[in-house]
Amino acid sequence: QQQVKQSPQSLIVQKGGISIINCAYENTAFDYFPWYQQFPGKGPALLIAIRPDVSEKKEGRFTISFNKSAKQFSLHIMDSQPGDSATYFCAAIGFKAAGNKLTFGGGTRVLVKP
Amino acid sequence: DTGVSQDPRHKITKRGQNVTFRCDPISEHNRLYWYRQTLGQGPEFLTYFQNEAQLEKSRLLSDRFSAERPKGSFSTLEIQRTEQGDSAMYLCASSPLPQSRGPDYEQYFGPGTRLTVT
Repeated sequence: QQQVKQSPQSLIVQKGGISIINCAYENTAFDYFPWYQQFPGKGPALLIAIRPDVSEKKEGRFTISFNKSAKQFSLHIMDSQPGDSATYFCAAIGFKAAGNKLTFGGGTRVLVKP
Repeated sequence: DTGVSQDPRHKITKRGQNVTFRCDPISEHNRLYWYRQTLGQGPEFLTYFQNEAQLEKSRLLSDRFSAERPKGSFSTLEIQRTEQGDSAMYLCASSPLPQSRGPDYEQYFGPGTRLTVT
């Protein structure tokens, strides 16, 4: 069963444009929501994360928006650059859940065209 | 480099052979996780250790898989009698113990070991 659903599977954006990736979760025990960036042949790297007690978090060109009632969150990449071309994964984790293991979405492959 | 390291980075083996992977976590990180990632998918949890104790195993971890963390530092993941379906990227991550309602909780991933079973 897929506890974190991510969309779209892929997107193409022009340099300088905005990339938007959406995720939805089911388990209300999740209380920490990180986003990871992964380049081919590399491990995932933590990009930005949010707790459900805030509705938005911004770090540089990356912003997470969080809607607790809808159980949805999204990543916005502003002023997208060719170097942002990668696969992005949303994830969720529950502090009180055994092991605090990450549950990942299916990933979004982002291509930024120059 | 003080990040998570994994060895080897690539492994090609024939079906039926045994393979072993190693993970060195960030020093002083109490927790160590193994995930598996198949092409085009997100990583899936396999197992995790807190210090030397293996505290949880996923149903994905069949009895052909075994993991150890003997001294609470590095960990090994062994796959016996490999099958073609075991072909994947095996990722290791480490983290400090989470603080109750404290700082954000983060897992740091290594570069992974790409396993190809022919």
